[in-house]
Amino acid sequence: DAKTTQPTSMDCAEGRAANLPCNHSTISGNEYVYWYRQIHSQGPQYIIHGLKNNETNEMASLIITEDRKSSTLILPHATLRDTAVYYCIVRSSYGNNRLAFGKGNQVVVIP
Amino acid sequence: DAGITQSPRHKVTETGTPVTLRCHQTENHRYMYWYRQDPGHGLRLIHYSYGVKDTDKGEVSDGYSVSRSKTEDFLLTLESATSSQTSVYFCAISDRQGGDNYGYTFGSGTRLTVV
Repeated sequence: DAKTTQPTSMDCAEGRAANLPCNHSTISGNEYVYWYRQIHSQGPQYIIHGLKNNETNEMASLIITEDRKSSTLILPHATLRDTAVYYCIVRSSYGNNRLAFGKGNQVVVIP
Repeated sequence: DAGITQSPRHKVTETGTPVTLRCHQTENHRYMYWYRQDPGHGLRLIHYSYGVKDTDKGEVSDGYSVSRSKTEDFLLTLESATSSQTSVYFCAISDRQGGDNYGYTFGSGTRLTVV
């Protein structure tokens, strides 16, 4: 699976949109981009995933660049409960495709 | 999370004793996974299962064994616990290898301390 690069940490203002970047320059054609988050002491929680088109659900939006080498997770109106470690993962939907978590991006929402 | 439970939630055990952690699901998902999480390492895959009696090793499988005799239960056993196995253990399930529309669902974790 392709590797991903995320900031180690970032702060976001409560009530504002939070834009979380992820680079995956070695992504291949059949690999999806997945986002999970982990709130302190809890199990990771699925947020969203996409292949090439932008995706939106009740939690967030995922913007994937046209060359698919990077993506941005957007939390439209960050709340204090969005403080968590966010993981960007690239994985194929075929074959042996277990989730491989990196160290993620520690996002702190500030009042 | 609803549909997946881990037991026990907390356990303290002595070095050299066997320990079994249980993951139980009510979703009838085919795939089940055991991860451990340690500071500085993130989540690392220990073992996974792709069906009853079908299991395989992950990246940190040494010192661990697993069993899956029925769809709903996936057991993780530490044959002889060591202090390096002190960790938080998470179980996850998914409906297919690519993950269903909601990806993987994780349990709440088991905090294991080996003294």
